[in-house]
Amino acid sequence: EPEVTQTPSHQVTQMGQEVILRCVPISNHLYFYWYRQILGQKVEFLVSFYNNEISEKSEIFDDQFSVERPDGSNFTLKIRSTKLEDSAMYFCASSEAGRWGLNTEAFFGQGTRLTVV
Amino acid sequence: AQKVTQAQTEISVVEKEDVTLDCVYETRDTTYYLFWYKQPPSGELVFLIRRNSFDEQNEISGRYSWNFQKSTSSFNFTITASQVVDSAVYFCALSEDSGGGADGLTFGKGTHLIIQP
Repeated sequence: EPEVTQTPSHQVTQMGQEVILRCVPISNHLYFYWYRQILGQKVEFLVSFYNNEISEKSEIFDDQFSVERPDGSNFTLKIRSTKLEDSAMYFCASSEAGRWGLNTEAFFGQGTRLTVV
Repeated sequence: AQKVTQAQTEISVVEKEDVTLDCVYETRDTTYYLFWYKQPPSGELVFLIRRNSFDEQNEISGRYSWNFQKSTSSFNFTITASQVVDSAVYFCALSEDSGGGADGLTFGKGTHLIIQP
């Protein structure tokens, strides 16, 4: 069964450093998403991406964050100048269509646990 | 603004008991979509169901069933004859139809379900 894969599974970084989280969405999917989950809390939407541009973003997704699809398969989330409060599980997701009414669903990866020290 | 409330932080039942997880949502849109996801101890998010706002039919899938009631803005999830493998955090989520595509999901805080042998 096709799946969304994320690397690395766990990343530890020093405060102030930049990190890039990587995702390989399901191959025929066109819409990509990043979510984060601070430990023990709810999952929060960060950004969605379609046709090589951001489709929607939340208030969390400020100038510290950026997304990119550098080639035909990868989808990345870059966090600049990391802060302690950026420590969280980051989930990538993809969907075939962007509008939920088209009987689509978002498939999530296993997540990257980011620890900022 | 959209909001999802899962009032039950944690539920603990003995195996084979039935259990219902509550989800109440708020939205100003007439078209919206509701989801349930399961997050087992391994951490990934597993899609369980999507329901469209215009489809109030209840759904049953094996031991799982969902009760969607627009009149009370609720989308409750029942597990019949629970099993230890059902132990997980369950998230209810909502997305409005902005028409622009790639809408993010708004998650509730989750209910931690513990099934004791």
